[in-house]
Amino acid sequence: DAGVTQSPTHLIKTRGQHVTLRCSPISGHKSVSWYQQVLGQGPQFIFQYYEKEERGRGNFPDRFSARQFPNYSSELNVNALLLGDSALYLCASSLRTGGKNTEAFFGQGTRLTVV
Amino acid sequence: GDSVTQMEGPVTLSEEAFLTINCTYTATGYPSLFWYVQYPGEGLQLLLKATKADDKGSNKGFEATYRKETTSFHLEKGSVQVSDSAVYFCAQYNTDKLIFGTGTRLQVFP
Repeated sequence: DAGVTQSPTHLIKTRGQHVTLRCSPISGHKSVSWYQQVLGQGPQFIFQYYEKEERGRGNFPDRFSARQFPNYSSELNVNALLLGDSALYLCASSLRTGGKNTEAFFGQGTRLTVV
Repeated sequence: GDSVTQMEGPVTLSEEAFLTINCTYTATGYPSLFWYVQYPGEGLQLLLKATKADDKGSNKGFEATYRKETTSFHLEKGSVQVSDSAVYFCAQYNTDKLIFGTGTRLQVFP
């Protein structure tokens, strides 16, 4: 079975532009979460979606938005890019949301560089 | 708020040495605890987990025990290999999200 796939793997954007990152979860997984990992830091939670509904949101500005599609894939959108948005964006999928045995499986990430 | 604190790196060891990476947490309720590993240029891989007090997670020679009394989940391995060189993240799962520590880089030399 394919794992979590993210696209693109790398991209470079200019300040003020908009970016869309994509994630396909493991087959059968209904929950997708997004994390931002700045160089040298641990990942920070951005969003969680389950059954196409937002279930959680981290401390990120409204420039960040996301959605989940009927096939459970997801997009993360970032508007008005800032230099500080440069990071590795990780997508994680899990079978469901909540519960102590919930395991999250991560994709390889999208490396975003804002210049 | 909920948080995870882990020892700063890098941790530099010779092959076959004993490894300990300390991790403590603060949490409301009783989170599940995880160790993830990140190899250069890659995403995160789940290394091991524990869901309740005194549980021991283990995988690939790595072990960690959920200690509620000390709010700790230290990672150990008896004999490290060069291939273990990576960044290790301790994390808690609470209220539908993972909260990570800042990561500890492990460098193992032959």
